[in-house]
Amino acid sequence: GAVVSQHPSRVICKSGTSVKIECRSLDFQATTMFWYRQFPKQSLMLMATSNEGSKATYEQGVEKDKFLINHASLTLSTLTVTSAHPEDSSFYICSARDLQGAAGNQPQHFGDGTRLSIL
Amino acid sequence: AQSVAQPEDQVNVAEGNPLTVKCTYSVSGNPYLFWYVQYPNRGLQFLLKYITGDNLVKGSYGFEAEFNKSQTSFHLKKPSALVSDSALYFCASHSGGYQKVTFGTGTKLQVIP
Repeated sequence: GAVVSQHPSRVICKSGTSVKIECRSLDFQATTMFWYRQFPKQSLMLMATSNEGSKATYEQGVEKDKFLINHASLTLSTLTVTSAHPEDSSFYICSARDLQGAAGNQPQHFGDGTRLSIL
Repeated sequence: AQSVAQPEDQVNVAEGNPLTVKCTYSVSGNPYLFWYVQYPNRGLQFLLKYITGDNLVKGSYGFEAEFNKSQTSFHLKKPSALVSDSALYFCASHSGGYQKVTFGTGTKLQVIP
């Protein structure tokens, strides 16, 4: 089955640090990737939709300059949390959709998430 | 606009008993409905989907779901719960093109030994 690898799984760093999270589709090409944020005991909040070779589409209320997304290839999207602060601490999850999934009738493939803790 | 509702934050069920996790939807056109499961500190895993055809769909780990158009529901069911089924379950609606997935708020399933 389709596998999405998300790295790192856990990050602990000081306030003011920038953190990069990678999301890779291992055995398929992902034209579209999604980045979510999940707070404890809450649902997933879509942050942005990342399309290969073009600018990401951010959801309302998500700071573009804070959460930089790059989707430079069909197998890799990165999320960089710039100058992270404690309020950015959260569980970040990426998902990917392959070409067949563009019709909406195929499941998304999720990474295992990144637990970000800012001290 | 699409919306998916999961009315229960948590469902408790005894091991061996049948379980139901509820989901209702409001979508325009034909709905593409999915169930995902999330274990602690993990991403979401696909369980099953309804696209078209039979209203009863079967998925992974013995789960099934019934699509009910008149009640706009897509409840997840399993005849006999296992302790290992304890997890967070999300109902979702997909749409075509580059539109986003709409998730329900999630239901925590606790299977009691």
